[in-house]
Amino acid sequence: NAGVTQTPKFQVLKTGQSMTLQCAQDMNHEYMSWYRQDPGMGLRLIHYSVGAGITDQGEVPNGYNVSRSTTEDFPLRLLSAAPSQTSVYFCASSYSGTISVRSNEQFFGPGTRLTVL
Amino acid sequence: AQKITQTQPGMFVQEKEAVTLDCTYDTSDPSYGLFWYKQPSSGEMIFLIYQGSYDQQNATEGRYSLNFQKARKSANLVISASQLGDSAMYFCAMRGPYNTDKLIFGTGTRLQVFP
Repeated sequence: NAGVTQTPKFQVLKTGQSMTLQCAQDMNHEYMSWYRQDPGMGLRLIHYSVGAGITDQGEVPNGYNVSRSTTEDFPLRLLSAAPSQTSVYFCASSYSGTISVRSNEQFFGPGTRLTVL
Repeated sequence: AQKITQTQPGMFVQEKEAVTLDCTYDTSDPSYGLFWYKQPSSGEMIFLIYQGSYDQQNATEGRYSLNFQKARKSANLVISASQLGDSAMYFCAMRGPYNTDKLIFGTGTRLQVFP
């Protein structure tokens, strides 16, 4: 059970380049999400998905695209990278039931540190 | 709109002492959940403790306890018997509107434990 995995761990892009951050989970969680973490601002939600084929925008969706073709994978696409997208990106997943306290936990991936020059 | 406020950018505590990290929240939903996460310098987010708005008792997990005061809309994290390994950023978070899985985070508190 690998939990939530993210690739790559580090990435440097030039302004205007596009790329995809990968996220996968092996816990059969319905809910998956992407956050970005900037200094002094905590984590902010970019996009989320409540199941395969269903995605929606979070607080800061501009410049990012997502799709969810399988339960396991939730890639985040940067369409045309900008320096303002320099950040640490976290993918998270959770089981959306309410059976127990632990089912409320969101499991986070290790993060991807992205620098846009 | 929902909001989480952490007013302590940094805290210091001596090893083996207890420390309280403050968190206040704002929501109009009657049903909500509050979380605390730890982020060490290595960067990963580690779940510590959860409190549901209808839970009758304050949550506890080992050395972590949550001082939940619903009327004051506060959910402070208490770490007892601090250890050097507790040095990290600590984030308070709330489940999104209608108690969804979307999390709203505070700006965090950096805790430093000294010998």
